[in-house]
Order: sequence, then C-alpha cells, then structure tokens
Amino acid sequence: ETGVTQSPTHLIKTRGQQVTLRCSSQSGHNTVSWYQQALGQGPQFIFQYYREEENGRGNFPPRFSGLQFPNYSSELNVNALELDDSALYLCASSEGTSSYNEQFFGPGTRLTVL
Amino acid sequence: GNSVTQMEGPVTLSEEAFLTINCTYTATGYPSLFWYVQYPGEGLQLLLKATKADDKGSNKGFEATYRKETTSFHLEKGSVQVSDSAVYFCALSDPMEYGNKLVFGAGTILRVKS
Repeated sequence: ETGVTQSPTHLIKTRGQQVTLRCSSQSGHNTVSWYQQALGQGPQFIFQYYREEENGRGNFPPRFSGLQFPNYSSELNVNALELDDSALYLCASSEGTSSYNEQFFGPGTRLTVL
Repeated sequence: GNSVTQMEGPVTLSEEAFLTINCTYTATGYPSLFWYVQYPGEGLQLLLKATKADDKGSNKGFEATYRKETTSFHLEKGSVQVSDSAVYFCALSDPMEYGNKLVFGAGTILRVKS
C-alpha cells in the first residue's frame, strides 16, 4: 500500500508568481486536506476535498485554490505569491470526512518565496 | 471557535526521564483528540488518539487520557529515549464542523539527552 506522496519536495519562487503543489492520496482514500505549516507553528487548515468537491475551507484568501481529480489526487494552487506564503505545505488523506477518520500525512512541500 | 493550547517548549529531558506535555482544548462540539509527532524533515505521524471522554489512547509507550471535565489531553511517557526527540502536536477534530479538519496546537519541541 502506497502512502501519501507530495511533489515537489522543495520549491523556490519569487513574489507575485504562481505555484502548483501536488498530492497523491493513499489507496482507498477519497478525502484530501491541505495544511500550511509556517516555521515554528502548528499546521493551519487550508481546505478539504471530498469526491472532487470542496468540503470546507479555512481562513485563507481566494488566491489559495485547489482541485481534486477522479483518482482522488489533488492540487493546491497559490496565485500572486507573498513572502508570508513561505511554509511547509502538508497534504493529508483519509477514507472519509468523519472526525473519527484518521488522516495520513505526506512528507510535505517546502515553499520558499523570495 | 475551536482551539488547542499546548505547553511551550522546548522541553529538554535526560534519557529515561518522565515526560508530560500539557494540552487543553476549546471546542463547540464533542471533539476527537489526537497527538501527532513530527521528526526532523518529515511530515506528521499519528501517535495516538481518543474519541470520547475517559478514553485512553496509547502507542509506543506514550499515553493520553481524554478528560472532558478539564478539557485536557496531556501526553505522558514513563521513560523517554533519545529517539523520542521530535515536535509533538496536540490536535482536535470537531464532529460539529463540516468535514474532519484538524485544529492543531503550536507544537512542543522535545529534546532528549543521552
């Protein structure tokens, strides 16, 4: 069974650019959540996708957007990058959206905005 | 809104010492509670969880008991090892909210010296 994978591992962008991060969910999981973890802080919920539909969103501006594909993999897109977007972006997958469903995390993508 | 508060670190212990990391929460519903661990350069791994009052989650010698009366979920281990050095995150998932998003504390760095 393959776990959650994310690509790329590291990324460097400049302010104003756009970025796309990718996540492959664990086999059998139909729910993907994205989190932003700034240095020295806990992860913050960005949004969740369930069966290709957005299923909840945290306090992030609209320039953070996402997609989920029929195979349940997902993308996180960030437009007009700002310096404060520098963070570790974590993807997590689960079998469903119940609070009892364990979320399995990928290793993350480290984004640096210069 | 929902929130999680953890004791500030870093916590520095000698090998075989007793560990306690305090965690308290605020939630509108009846949340599930989790402890996640993050080793250097890695994503998050679920350490243990509890889904109802007085439940005790346990794994790898770590334990935490869901205390509804004190809204707490403190992490304990009787004898820490150098390999336990990591960042520990307390988190909750509220079934009253749409989806199973996790709300994390800020994390507690644990350093174990040999």
